[in-house]
Amino acid sequence: GAGVSQTPSNKVTEKGKYVELRCDPISGHTALYWYRQSLGQGPEFLIYFQGTGAADDSGLPNDRFFAVRPEGSVSTLKIQRTERGDSAVYLCASSLLTGRTDTQYFGPGTRLTVL
Amino acid sequence: SQQGEEDPQALSIQEGENATMNCSYKTSINNLQWYRQNSGRGLVHLILIRSNEREKHSGRLRVTLDTSKKSSSLLITASRAADTASYFCATVVTGGGNKLTFGTGTQLKVEL
Repeated sequence: GAGVSQTPSNKVTEKGKYVELRCDPISGHTALYWYRQSLGQGPEFLIYFQGTGAADDSGLPNDRFFAVRPEGSVSTLKIQRTERGDSAVYLCASSLLTGRTDTQYFGPGTRLTVL
Repeated sequence: SQQGEEDPQALSIQEGENATMNCSYKTSINNLQWYRQNSGRGLVHLILIRSNEREKHSGRLRVTLDTSKKSSSLLITASRAADTASYFCATVVTGGGNKLTFGTGTQLKVEL
């Protein structure tokens, strides 16, 4: 079946602009996660949705970052007034959320470059 | 923030040899997982070990977990060139929900 998909695969923007990154999870997966990975580092957690609601947004670095999942499926990560330090690969993952031994399935990521 | 460190940061071996990577973490965990990443993009889940387990196998992979030392190791036996990738350990921290906290990763290169 189809895996997690993310669009666009690459996004180049200028400092100060607004960007939206989209994630399509695996059909039927209740949980959706966003992570950010800087060059040479492991991914860092941003936000986690159970259904439509954000169950944990403790990883969002500041109020320029916001994510939604209005119908409990597709999610959009929104970044306002982008800064060069936001450049990274943004990864989305989904899981069935059957318990604490959930396997998270990752998408290919969106590489964001802020000039 | 990163949960812990992986060791070594980079490892280069010949095809057919075994590769061992180590992971240390800082806090109490529910489980620890290992992921592989090719070319800095999508992560592939390899294996999960629960906090009450000490060893687990999956094909050519063997994972150990020592909760008293807060460490884990991943052994890849009879490595292949296709195993070349970055390997990350990730923990589900006790009381931290289901989010993953990743280590810094080991870059493995398997040469022909």
